[in-house]
Formats: sequence, C-alpha cells, structure tokens
Amino acid sequence: AQTVTQSQPEMSVQEAETVTLSCTYDTSESDYYLFWYKQPPSRQMILVIRQEAYKQQNATENRFSVNFQKAAKSFSLKISDSQLGDAAMYFCAYRRSQGAQKLVFGQGTRLTINP
Amino acid sequence: NAGVTQTPKFRILKIGQSMTLQCTQDMNHNYMYWYRQDPGMGLKLIYYSVGAGITDKGEVPNGYNVSRSTTEDFPLRLELAAPSQTSVYFCASSYAGANTGELFFGEGSRLTVL
Repeated sequence: AQTVTQSQPEMSVQEAETVTLSCTYDTSESDYYLFWYKQPPSRQMILVIRQEAYKQQNATENRFSVNFQKAAKSFSLKISDSQLGDAAMYFCAYRRSQGAQKLVFGQGTRLTINP
Repeated sequence: NAGVTQTPKFRILKIGQSMTLQCTQDMNHNYMYWYRQDPGMGLKLIYYSVGAGITDKGEVPNGYNVSRSTTEDFPLRLELAAPSQTSVYFCASSYAGANTGELFFGEGSRLTVL
C-alpha cells in the first residue's frame, strides 16, 4: 500500500521569508500524481499545487513551487515571500494515475507565519 | 457555485445513536469520497464511489455505510455511534475524465460522540 510521510509536524517562518515543507512517499507504481493541499482554520481543503510523476519539470504556481525527486520519492513544497495568509495546515497527498482517484494523505505540517 | 455541500456542519451524538451525514455536489462528478480527519492527523478514506450504484470501502470503513443512488448525492450513515467516531468528516468529489485528479472538498462536518 502507498504511504505518505510528512516528518515536520510544525514549521514557522518570518513573513516575506522562504520556507520548505518536506514530504516523502512510498509506492511501487511508476505513474502517479502528487499534491499539496492547504487547510486554513476554516477547515476548507484547498489545492495548492500538483505534480505529474511522468513530468521531470517541477511544478510552480506563483509563490509556490515543488522539488520533485522521483528516485528518492521526495516531494517538498517551497513557499517564497511568505504571507500571513499562508498560515495553515499543509498536507501532501498521493494518488495512482489509474483507477479511482483516491488520495492518500500525509499527517500534515502546521505552518506558522511570524509577522 | 455551490460545489460540494455537506450537512450538518456540527453534530453531537450520544453513544449508540445513529445519524446520516449528507453530501451533494452540483458539478456532475463521477467520483465521490468520504474522508475522516482525526485531531492533528491527515485525512483517511472511509468509502468512495465511482458512479451511481457503485461504492467501495476505503481504509477505515468499519462502523459506516454509504449509498449512491444518484450522481449528485453520497450520504454517509453512522450506525451505533462510538467515541472513536469523533472526528471531522469531509466529503469530496472529482471528475473521472480529468487527468488532473483534483478533488473538490466540502467544508467538513464536525461530529462529537459522547
């Protein structure tokens, strides 16, 4: 079974600085998708960024980018120019490319932004 | 744009009571899911459905039942509530034809069993 591990329960960063959240996963599949979801205090799950395993280029969405290392099964999220609104729980998630689009989530990292 | 709507948002149950969490989506998505999130943890899949009339177990199905009679609705039934079912429940949906695989989530339902 696939597993996703986030080894940092909590992280903090100064406003306007850069922070990197770590994620590792375990799978025997060669084709899959990886995601970072944000969960603010409102509890709403918001997709931040997505990476297809067959793409070598790292995904980028404005201030958010990933470092995808397929051989190492590592998928970290970098947030540049951190803003107070970035404070939230961040979840790394995995899904197979075929079949039902079930997501497997990591335990989450709580990110605090210090003004 | 309603998206995925869950009701109720909050509920307190006594041990042994039963209830149904309602979920409806207006995006004509094929796939629907129920997840639970325990405090400080990630989401775990309870049940999912790939279309009307088809459901399957996820990682933690014990104590729950689901049905999918229409594309829009995917209710989650809790029978004989137990304190271990105290959690936040999320319904989600996705479109099978989209390679993005993005799930669209409801706002969650906080359930407390006392």
